[in-house]
Amino acid sequence: NAGVTQTPKFQVLKTGQSMTLQCAQDMNHNSMYWYRQDPGMGLRLIYYSASEGTTDKGEVPNGYNVSRLNKREFSLRLESAAPSQTSVYFCASSATKFQGASEKLFFGSGTQLSVL
Amino acid sequence: GENVEQHPSTLSVQEGDSAVIKCTYSDSASNYFPWYKQELGKGPQLIIDIRSNVGEKKDQRIAVTLNKTAKHFSLHITETQPEDSAVYFCAASIPGGYQKVTFGTGTKLQVIP
Repeated sequence: NAGVTQTPKFQVLKTGQSMTLQCAQDMNHNSMYWYRQDPGMGLRLIYYSASEGTTDKGEVPNGYNVSRLNKREFSLRLESAAPSQTSVYFCASSATKFQGASEKLFFGSGTQLSVL
Repeated sequence: GENVEQHPSTLSVQEGDSAVIKCTYSDSASNYFPWYKQELGKGPQLIIDIRSNVGEKKDQRIAVTLNKTAKHFSLHITETQPEDSAVYFCAASIPGGYQKVTFGTGTKLQVIP
């Protein structure tokens, strides 16, 4: 049971380049999330998908897009990377009350992204 | 929206001593307060949580207390061990269709052998 799997683990981009961060979960969770982690700022929500077929903005969505490809997969895309997007990105998933489970978030191991 | 403040940002303790991390939240609608531990190079992992209808919860060497009136909650780690060294995040969650979780800024705990 892998849990939440993120790829890649590390990435270096030049300003203006694009890339997609991939995330997949094998726990049959309905909800998936993308967070960014910056020093001294904790974890901030970028986008979330409450259930398959829906996505919505979180606290810091500017410069990002997401796709909930199916129940398992939730990708994050940077169309034109900027140095301000240098961060560690975490994907997470959770069951929902409709699945009769707790509010626990399960995180992937993160993607360290540097934009030069 | 919800605002969660966490203190201290860094904490060093001798092995065997206790460690306390404190958080405050702003939105009285928050009813679920998890604590996550993040080891180096890994994602955060839930270690303990508490709901608003409970004042204290213990799990071996870890305990969490909640004061709803004052809107603050704390993590207590007793008999600290080197493997407790990590970054700890508190969070507050508002009920909804997804996890409306707001995280604190984190506390880096160092346990000195």
